[in-house]
Amino acid sequence: EAGVAQSPRYKIIEKRQSVAFWCNPISGHATLYWYQQILGQGPKLLIQFQNNGVVDDSQLPKDRFSAERLKGVDSTLKIQPAKLEDSAVYLCASSPWRGTDTQYFGPGTRLTVL
Amino acid sequence: AQSVTQLDSQVPVFEEAPVELRCNYSSSVSVYLFWYVQYPNQGLQLLLKYLSGSTLVKGINGFEAEFNKSQTSVHLRKPSVHISDTAEYFCAVSSKTSYDKVIFGPGTSLSVIP
Repeated sequence: EAGVAQSPRYKIIEKRQSVAFWCNPISGHATLYWYQQILGQGPKLLIQFQNNGVVDDSQLPKDRFSAERLKGVDSTLKIQPAKLEDSAVYLCASSPWRGTDTQYFGPGTRLTVL
Repeated sequence: AQSVTQLDSQVPVFEEAPVELRCNYSSSVSVYLFWYVQYPNQGLQLLLKYLSGSTLVKGINGFEAEFNKSQTSVHLRKPSVHISDTAEYFCAVSSKTSYDKVIFGPGTSLSVIP
């Protein structure tokens, strides 16, 4: 079974530029999560999807971050414009359905904002 | 709301020595507890989870954890570590009514010294 795929693995941009990350969850997984992991901290949930609907985006900075999962499969997370404090690893995770306690994580995208 | 404290940010230990990584949590409701491991440049992988039943939980790679409800702790242990155990370890908690909302601790960096 293929795991959660993410791309790119690394991205370096300057502040005020835009960036997008892509995630393809495990096949058949209905629930998809995006986390932000700042250096030295644990992952923090940004947004949770159930199929193509948003379940929780309470911690997503909506003035600059957006995410979509149009067909209920893969997802993109966008930052526009980026700030220095957005430098972090962005992790995507999926689970078979919303009530599952175990999440499966991708390798992450490391973003550096200069 | 839940919160997680990992008492040691870094733990160096010699190969084949035992190790204990400490975790305390706070919550006003019943919780599920998790330990995840993150190897360098990889996503998080579930080590073990406590949902109910026996307070001693065995996980993968020879790790185990003991849940102590009175002390609100779930410390992770391994009797003999290997070089390959060098990684970041995250304790996490979720409420039993919303167990897909996982709150992660800041992590403990385990370094195994040959």
